[in-house]
Amino acid sequence: EIVLTQSPGTLSLSPGERVTLSCRASQAVSNNFLAWYQQRPGQAPRLLIYGASTRATGIPDRFSGSGSGTDFALTISRLEPEDFAVYYCQQSGSSPWTFGQGTRVEIK
Amino acid sequence: DVQLVESGGGLVKPGGSLRLSCAASGSGFIFSNDNMNWVRQAPGKGLEWVSSISRSGLNKYYADSVKGRFTISRDNAKNSVFLQMSSLRAEDTAVYFCVRSPLTIPLPNWYFDIWGRGTVVTVSS
Repeated sequence: EIVLTQSPGTLSLSPGERVTLSCRASQAVSNNFLAWYQQRPGQAPRLLIYGASTRATGIPDRFSGSGSGTDFALTISRLEPEDFAVYYCQQSGSSPWTFGQGTRVEIK
Repeated sequence: DVQLVESGGGLVKPGGSLRLSCAASGSGFIFSNDNMNWVRQAPGKGLEWVSSISRSGLNKYYADSVKGRFTISRDNAKNSVFLQMSSLRAEDTAVYFCVRSPLTIPLPNWYFDIWGRGTVVTVSS
């Protein structure tokens, strides 16, 4: 099973700031099948990025994904008020599909 | 737009059973084209993949934590996917989300692009 470790656990930031979230895999993710999700309180998760770097439909271009192999990142170029949420990475390169433990981005 | 609506959650005693359903709808949506999944989230915790089923229903996958206790199935004629849960434990308490994995070519990529709102399962005596 591939274990995904996200860092940091929590980030305290202000609107307008740039942020990069990390997701590290215990072994290489096949085909770079790595996705990112955003979850706001009381809501279902929302797909942001798949295939490590492809933005999902309707996702603003301030969100970008990068990385390959075992090291991946999600960057938000300028934080908007609605971006304060929890972010999860997920790999589907090999079964069982696994999620990271999440990174909380909170308002400073 | 595709919509997924879960039902069947509730309060059940340890050792009991429950059957979750998920109905898919939307214009231009072909349910039999898509792989389907269940993902759960325990109170205050992160996301955990539970089970997946291929478009045809022939291939099924389970997390070790539910293998042998949960069974996933689908009815393409009714645009529905199900999760039969038995021998339930307190640690199965969670919101259960029905989730779509879209058809991808040339390789199947089991990412989750459409989520239902979830149904709450509580296992307690």
